[in-house]
Amino acid sequence: AVQLVESGGGLVQPKESLKISCAASGFTFSNAAMYWVRQAPGKGLEWVARIRTKPNNYATYYADSVKGRFTISRDDSKSMVYLQMDNLKTEDTAMYYCTGDSSQGVMDAWGQGASVTVSS
Amino acid sequence: DIQMTQSPSSMSASLGDRVTITCQASQDIGNNLIWFQQKPGKSPRPMIYYATNLANGVPSRFSGSRSGSDYSLTISSLESEDMADYHCLQYKQYPLTFGSGTKLEIK
Repeated sequence: AVQLVESGGGLVQPKESLKISCAASGFTFSNAAMYWVRQAPGKGLEWVARIRTKPNNYATYYADSVKGRFTISRDDSKSMVYLQMDNLKTEDTAMYYCTGDSSQGVMDAWGQGASVTVSS
Repeated sequence: DIQMTQSPSSMSASLGDRVTITCQASQDIGNNLIWFQQKPGKSPRPMIYYATNLANGVPSRFSGSRSGSDYSLTISSLESEDMADYHCLQYKQYPLTFGSGTKLEIK
């Protein structure tokens, strides 16, 4: 079965860094574009970042709200995708979901989410 | 950026009702739209792909349609398990943008 499992969330102070991870299984990870989507408490969904596959040069794309502060990366040998978050702000507090194009279509697989709280 | 204007923001309906939720795109997105269902404390679940195609395992009472720049998700006969938040997403252009969400409650 397709599975995405996030890890590494937690409580950090403003301006600090945090790296969250997502372990994928049950599909051909190297063929899948991967994304991070976040949801602030009580709010809607916000796309954060996307990383494409090797044939597409691992191209990356970011929301303006995180550009220059967040970096998405992947390790196909480990079926892992990462989100490095630097210079965190209180408004980055959210549940961060890992999602990917596993088989049926865009964002058809989702993890359970990693909670990130930025507070002093 | 493409704005997705979703309506209503919340609604209450009775079991068996026909329910329609709409997203209006500010620019042409073709059929590059997905509808997600999200239950409390859970991850989003894709329901409709490419504006009109039912995702695997989704009950046939769900359907998607398009009229110009308006995209709709319809539940033909509401069941209790359909109580959830619903979100649309356009993936035609970066940044990918979600609608603001619709909270569907059962009367």
